[in-house]
Amino acid sequence: AQSVTQLGSHVSVSEGALVLLRCNYSSSVPPYLFWYVQYPNQGLQLLLKYTSAATLVKGINGFEAEFKKSETSFHLTKPSAHMSDAAEYFCAVSGNQFYFGTGTSLTVIP
Amino acid sequence: SQTIHQWPATLVQPVGSPLSLECTVEGTSNPNLYWYRQAAGRGLQLLFYSVGIGQISSEVPQNLSASRPQDRQFILSSKKLLLSDSGFYLCAWDSRDTQYFGPGTRLTVL
Repeated sequence: AQSVTQLGSHVSVSEGALVLLRCNYSSSVPPYLFWYVQYPNQGLQLLLKYTSAATLVKGINGFEAEFKKSETSFHLTKPSAHMSDAAEYFCAVSGNQFYFGTGTSLTVIP
Repeated sequence: SQTIHQWPATLVQPVGSPLSLECTVEGTSNPNLYWYRQAAGRGLQLLFYSVGIGQISSEVPQNLSASRPQDRQFILSSKKLLLSDSGFYLCAWDSRDTQYFGPGTRLTVL
């Protein structure tokens, strides 16, 4: 069975501060892992994905995520938050089916 | 390149009225297609998926149904809408273990 858990349904950071959104996964097979971003009233947009090629994955808009098998984690980070990063972020794992986390709403404080 | 369309973008319907939401994919053939729903402030709920024409799998029993009359067309329907059907409906397709989403339809049932 596969699943993902996103820790923290709401995260607030100051503009220019580090963004850290947490995701832990559960998978009985080597997983494919994803981060998506959703802006208000829009569909989900793929930020990045891990497919076992490299543990540090770089995505769009300056985001990156690191796959840590020992911690079963795939946390999303960005060194410096921008106002335009305010959105909902979803972690997902893929096996025989896609499983999404419940989402983390990111607020950026000016 | 592949694109996915959904219409209408927004819809306001009275309780008990019928529903038809359409999703089409361009630039690919025989895609796996998915319908998700997001209730206000909640995560993604998988409603239906389809691996081919006429092949529909339902994940959640409810008053909604789905059909796939053509290879790249996926329709979500209801004969009688309930208040609880309000939400943001997302269509998605997958390629190489990655899901890609349409822009969504905001449905409000009054």
